[in-house]
Amino acid sequence: AQSVSQHNHHVILSEAASLELGCNYSYGGTVNLFWYVQYPGQHLQLLLKYFSGDPLVKGIKGFEAEFIKSKFSFNLRKPSVQWSDTAEYFCAVNARGRGSTLGRLYFGRGTQLTVWP
Amino acid sequence: DGGITQSPKYLFRKEGQNVTLSCEQNLNHDAMYWYRQDPGQGLRLIYYSQIVNDFQKGDIAEGYSVSREKKESFPLTVTSAQKNPTAFYLCASSQGRTNEKLFFGSGTQLSVL
Repeated sequence: AQSVSQHNHHVILSEAASLELGCNYSYGGTVNLFWYVQYPGQHLQLLLKYFSGDPLVKGIKGFEAEFIKSKFSFNLRKPSVQWSDTAEYFCAVNARGRGSTLGRLYFGRGTQLTVWP
Repeated sequence: DGGITQSPKYLFRKEGQNVTLSCEQNLNHDAMYWYRQDPGQGLRLIYYSQIVNDFQKGDIAEGYSVSREKKESFPLTVTSAQKNPTAFYLCASSQGRTNEKLFFGSGTQLSVL
């Protein structure tokens, strides 16, 4: 079975600090990779995704993530965080192949990001 | 507005009781999913359905049941066989295998009395 590891459970930053949230997965085949975000009081929503092509992908609100196949990683980054980035962030993986469905995602445990103004 | 509606927001279950969580979508999506979220454990897939009248077990289906009689509805029943039902339950939908993202509902918090 696939698994997803998010090593940081809670990250606390000041505004303008740089952010990097780690995500590693265990699956030897081809994968689709996602970051979802849940802002306080809001639904879980897609932040960015990687399916193929350029391993550096850009998402909403200035976030980006880099897929490093050799390290089985898909770390999320933002050069300068804002107070409004306070949220819980989930990394998710889906194995590509016959019979797979995009909804059968394996999620990490989540990282709570708190940004102080 | 298009979206996914989950109800109720909070639900309490007595020992030995079955309870049903509602999930309705008006996005005309083919696929629907139920996830369970426990603190510090991320989301785990309970059941999913890619088409009406068909559904498959996810990774933690024991103690749960679902039905998919209509495209827009995918109710989840937490049966008395589920020994640890207290959790946050999220319903999601997607267009199908070619869709690139899931749309999530606002969730139902189930607690045991």
